[in-house]
Amino acid sequence: DIQMTQSPSSLSASVGDRVTITCRASQSISSYLNWYQQKPGKAPKLLIYAASSLQSGVPSRFSGSGSGTYFTLTISSLHPEDFATYYCQQSSSSPYTFGQGTKLEIK
Amino acid sequence: EVQLVESGGGLVQPGGSLRLSCAASGFTFSTYSMNWVRQAPGKGLEWVSYISSSSSTIYYADSVKGRFTISRDNAKNSLYLQMNSLRDEDTAVYYCASPGPSGSYPGWGRGTLVTVSS
Repeated sequence: DIQMTQSPSSLSASVGDRVTITCRASQSISSYLNWYQQKPGKAPKLLIYAASSLQSGVPSRFSGSGSGTYFTLTISSLHPEDFATYYCQQSSSSPYTFGQGTKLEIK
Repeated sequence: EVQLVESGGGLVQPGGSLRLSCAASGFTFSTYSMNWVRQAPGKGLEWVSYISSSSSTIYYADSVKGRFTISRDNAKNSLYLQMNSLRDEDTAVYYCASPGPSGSYPGWGRGTLVTVSS
């Protein structure tokens, strides 16, 4: 199975900050990388698919980049509603594994 | 709009069985593959099982293989997960998820909680 490793595991930031979360795959997954946001008690929400494509309705302050084994999710200017846990997921080969998550907290 | 509603969760003893259901609407269910994903309390997301649109292709996570069975009824727009020989570590919120571009999951239900405990 392909292992997905996110860093950092947690992150403290302030409203208006620019933040970047990284995700590494244990082998090349081309651009088959997706990002999700999850708030407590809620289902995950798809933000980015195919490494850099913004899901419909997701604010443009979210962006993704990368290919192969290294990927990033960037939030250009944090809004209060962005404090949540973020997961990457590879969809290159089954099982479609997730990273362990990055909890973004208010500083 | 895609709507997915899970049901069937609850408290069950170790070794017991439970059948989860997922009612789908807002899209042509019969033409899409479907997935189950779970999340243990305070933990991350774990993909559990996949079924193709015609049920011809099925995959399971190693952690549930031989104990769980995924199925679907396209006439009823419904997805199922039969869970047998349940273990403490199967305690989780179970979500059904519909596929999108590039293997992503844009559609999620609210989840149903399965608690395995004596």
